[in-house]
Amino acid sequence: QSVLTQPPSVSAAPGQKVTISCSGSSSNIGNNYVSWYQQLPGTAPKLLIYDNNKRPSGIPDRFSGSKSGTSATLGITGLQTGDEADYYCGTWDSSLVFGGGTKLTVL
Amino acid sequence: QLQLQESGPGLVKPSETLSLTCTVSGGSISSSSYYWGWIRQPPGKGLEWIGSIYYSGSTYYNPSLKSRVTISVDTSKNQFSLKLSSVTAADTAVYYCARLLRYIVVVPAAYIDYWGQGTLVTVSS
Repeated sequence: QSVLTQPPSVSAAPGQKVTISCSGSSSNIGNNYVSWYQQLPGTAPKLLIYDNNKRPSGIPDRFSGSKSGTSATLGITGLQTGDEADYYCGTWDSSLVFGGGTKLTVL
Repeated sequence: QLQLQESGPGLVKPSETLSLTCTVSGGSISSSSYYWGWIRQPPGKGLEWIGSIYYSGSTYYNPSLKSRVTISVDTSKNQFSLKLSSVTAADTAVYYCARLLRYIVVVPAAYIDYWGQGTLVTVSS
């Protein structure tokens, strides 16, 4: 049982937009910054978003993050087949905590 | 470009101690502002943070694993290590070493910006 709640899966067609939600509480998302990670099949996770909505160098602006209250959202526009991956949200709650992960399928 | 590489046995017997080392290259483990940590991922499941260490030796552990975990650092070798005692099959996972940033700008932030490639550790007799 993960501290942060994500939908197990989402799907959309190439070129479309998708959002992935991450729900927490006041002890974690409500009072800490949120980060997002992309894990392509068979590889280590990669940082996509930090401090709720900032992108590291090299991450395209198709990826965006937002936070409101105790929930956060990852948005991906212009979906590509290469975006098929597992996506995890993370934040601090007396320790580093992650969501259970969301599998994105690009139909 | 910073690189992290895990090393250690891929098979550990139940009740024994799992030991892994992470070698950092392309940067100094003694850099301020950075913590160094371990995350694991059981097959087909999500990510679980194990703990982290600062170059000075101060540690922070996941409360659920704290009684079994020891993380240490060797700045002379630019390495840090994980020991997990009394392992069971439930500890079978891919273990990642990583660099963690923690700071406060209005509110606290903590995220991982560099990950090792991961190493599968199986607990079995």
